[in-house]
Amino acid sequence: EVQLLESGGGLVQPGGSLRLSCTVSGFTFRDYAMTWVRQAPGKGLEWVSAISGGGGDTFYADSVKGRFTISRDNSKNTLYLQMNSLRAEDTAVYYCANRNYYLLHWGQGTLVTVSS
Amino acid sequence: QTVVTQEPSFSVSPGGTVTLTCGLSSGSSSTGYHPTWYQQTPGQAPRTLIYNTNTRSSGVPDRFSGSILGNKAALTITGAQADDESDYYCGLYMGSGISVFGGGTKLTVL
Repeated sequence: EVQLLESGGGLVQPGGSLRLSCTVSGFTFRDYAMTWVRQAPGKGLEWVSAISGGGGDTFYADSVKGRFTISRDNSKNTLYLQMNSLRAEDTAVYYCANRNYYLLHWGQGTLVTVSS
Repeated sequence: QTVVTQEPSFSVSPGGTVTLTCGLSSGSSSTGYHPTWYQQTPGQAPRTLIYNTNTRSSGVPDRFSGSILGNKAALTITGAQADDESDYYCGLYMGSGISVFGGGTKLTVL
């Protein structure tokens, strides 16, 4: 059974940093690209970032480029999202998902709240 | 900037058939964009229903089907049930590692 479990969310002040993790099981992690998607309260889904299976290629939405960094540790089956210079508009539930052309399996999400 | 368009809301009667669409502000949402459909109920994570235009994800009932209609990707629900009442999002792969979601369609079954 494929499982994805996000962690690391919480309350952070504007301008602060947070690192999200996504630990996976049930598939060969290194063989697949991974993606982060977020959803602001009451809003739709927003694609945030993706990374290739080997980690050598990374991609970002314009809204987070230069502030967020996606990475992965294939030895730990874990995906990361380092979020710096956080803004109020980054407040959202953050989901990790596998693949990138299409997203096949999703985690349950972790809530990030940016507020003073 | 590319915008993926979906109907904001739709209504269907129990047992009825409904088709939701997913278009592009410029051009057509062809199979090359790997159209994918996601279902989300309040408070839950999204669930993948259809990927690569018309492939059903594991465990998805066959009353859900995907296709291309004209210049849009489409999700058809045949024999709608009460628990199909959800938000439905389409996603398109734009190339260069980037994907975009539509704004979602709120489906009411009544």
